[in-house]
Amino acid sequence: GNSVTQMEGPVTLSEEAFLTINCTYTATGYPSLFWYVQYPGEGLQLLLKATKADDKGSNKGFEATYRKETTSFHLEKGSVQVSDSAVYFCALGTGRRALTFGSGTRLQVQP
Amino acid sequence: GAGVSQSPSNKVTEKGKDVELRCDPISGHTALYWYRQSLGQGLEFLIYFQGNSAPDKSGLPSDRFSAERTGGSVSTLTIQRTQQEDSAVYLCASSGKGLAEFTDTQYFGPGTRLTVL
Repeated sequence: GNSVTQMEGPVTLSEEAFLTINCTYTATGYPSLFWYVQYPGEGLQLLLKATKADDKGSNKGFEATYRKETTSFHLEKGSVQVSDSAVYFCALGTGRRALTFGSGTRLQVQP
Repeated sequence: GAGVSQSPSNKVTEKGKDVELRCDPISGHTALYWYRQSLGQGLEFLIYFQGNSAPDKSGLPSDRFSAERTGGSVSTLTIQRTQQEDSAVYLCASSGKGLAEFTDTQYFGPGTRLTVL
């Protein structure tokens, strides 16, 4: 079956530091890959997505590249801000089925 | 435009009571999903609707849980005889038709926080 593994948190960084949150997956077929973000007290928001190998999703300075050879979709940002503090979820989807989510990684950015 | 809405935002109930949670998807979205988010369990899939039918109910944890969707729009998740372990945030998401080979983006509502005392 499908599964997503992402690094455990919390990840604590200083403002302007470089961020990487690792995500690897197992799936049948050719999944689409997503990063969702959940800010404190809010619902899940789509951050970025990629639908096929070598695609790069990007939004708000965050990037992730769909790597089929390593079955990975790591999230990166060159310079984090305090406002990026949130929980980040990696997810995959195949066809019209439900998404399979990772366990979430809490990011805390300190001023 | 309007996003996915859910009501109530918070629900506190006593063990053994029934509860109904409502989801209004984005207008025109044919697919609707229910998930549950609880501490220590992450995000769990419950049920998926395509139009008014539910091709995948595999995530419903017990026969106390049921859901329906009418008019291809609003969905209601019902939990009968609630138990304390049902306490969680219940999330609804919707997505459009899109292409079958790709997974459509799912847009989430703000959730209903259910507390069973």
